Amino acid sequence: GESVGLHLPTLSVQEGDNSIINCAYSNSASDYFIWYKQESGKGPQFIIDIRSNMDKRQGQRVTVLLNKTVKHLSLQIAATQPGDSAVYFCAESKGYNKLIFGAGTRLAVHP
Amino acid sequence: DTAVSQTPKYLVTQMGNDKSIKCEQNLGHDTMYWYKQDSKKFLKIMFSYNNKELIINETVPNRFSPKSPDKAHLNLHINSLELGDSAVYFCASSQDLNRNSPLHFGNGTRLTVT
Repeated sequence: GESVGLHLPTLSVQEGDNSIINCAYSNSASDYFIWYKQESGKGPQFIIDIRSNMDKRQGQRVTVLLNKTVKHLSLQIAATQPGDSAVYFCAESKGYNKLIFGAGTRLAVHP
Repeated sequence: DTAVSQTPKYLVTQMGNDKSIKCEQNLGHDTMYWYKQDSKKFLKIMFSYNNKELIINETVPNRFSPKSPDKAHLNLHINSLELGDSAVYFCASSQDLNRNSPLHFGNGTRLTVT
């Protein structure tokens, strides 16, 4: 079993509810942001990205919001499903596609 | 079809040994990366290569030597392994260095140094 990552901040939601995962980024000069999902034993999987000239971007069941004033990024997942259970990372780009990852949030979906 | 594949998936070895991790991508991407994920799940970039040329080297100890024989492969060789090298190592690739280009990750190599 996996013992790492147990001390990550955890968001627990009921199946069918909406989830909001928040992220504070560090560099005001970053102009590209990405959300990744990491399931146990797998690599990070791209979910959605947003450029700094946008405030909001929608995908399938997911929405990313960017607030550059307070350097805040959020990921909203609509109608959360058990398959959404994973660790979610935000990342910012500082050029040359050098992604700087945040600490990660574990999403636990309960039936 | 596996887009980014790395081998081995698990690697257990003793301190002082030398080991290699291999990575291949079949996406036709120009840029490849190595990231290290520690026990707290923190992901940190180590290296990036673009068309076989080193672009980023994030103050990684010189015991770590990446090698890119062609743009589809980026291998990581580690000399004189130390306990602190234990981590999960992820290979990734992206279309190019364009900052709006998402990274595609492999499933990781869990390295345990005893």
